[in-house]
Amino acid sequence: DVKVTQSSRYLVKRTGEKVFLECVQDMDHENMFWYRQDPGLGLRLIYFSYDVKMKEKGDIPEGYSVSREKKERFSLILESASTNQTSMYLCASSLAYNEQFFGPGTRLTVL
Amino acid sequence: TQLLEQSPQFLSIQEGENLTVYCNSSSVFSSLQWYRQEPGEGPVLLVTVVTGGEVKKLKRLTFQFGDARKDSSLHITAAQPGDTGLYLCAGGTLGRLYFGRGTQLTVWP
Repeated sequence: DVKVTQSSRYLVKRTGEKVFLECVQDMDHENMFWYRQDPGLGLRLIYFSYDVKMKEKGDIPEGYSVSREKKERFSLILESASTNQTSMYLCASSLAYNEQFFGPGTRLTVL
Repeated sequence: TQLLEQSPQFLSIQEGENLTVYCNSSSVFSSLQWYRQEPGEGPVLLVTVVTGGEVKKLKRLTFQFGDARKDSSLHITAAQPGDTGLYLCAGGTLGRLYFGRGTQLTVWP
């Protein structure tokens, strides 16, 4: 079975802090994705990556950056956390882009 | 702009009832996925359909992809409380997925 793990299930940070969200997959998938999920807005794509050291902007990249130094690991970085970044963050991986396997999510609260 | 519209947004039914949820778009997709998400967890892939008119069955769940590959439906027969969850459709095109906002299904015993 595909396993996607995220470093934290719950995280509380202060405004202005730098925040790292880590995602690791164990199935040698080429593609990895970061989404945020908010009530009434659904899943919105932040960034994705088709290969190591490659990244593509999604629909809402502002305020975020990503890093993919190794195939299995895709990190989402909030350079200076703000309260409007309070959300559920979901990481996914896939062989083909269209069958994505999700991690359990990180619920981030920015105070 | 939401590429995929799901309806209804909320559905609350009794155990044993049948239901259908819809996923509609004006765009053509190369594939369409359905996911189910439980509270506090990530979405879990249920099915992928790729051919216009395709029908797939997963126990009591029947998935259909529209002939024009713009829409899909999910039909559940004899719903059970274990079917409760957020059902998300996602259309694949241009190397990524576009998600609908979901249908929140609650099945009461």
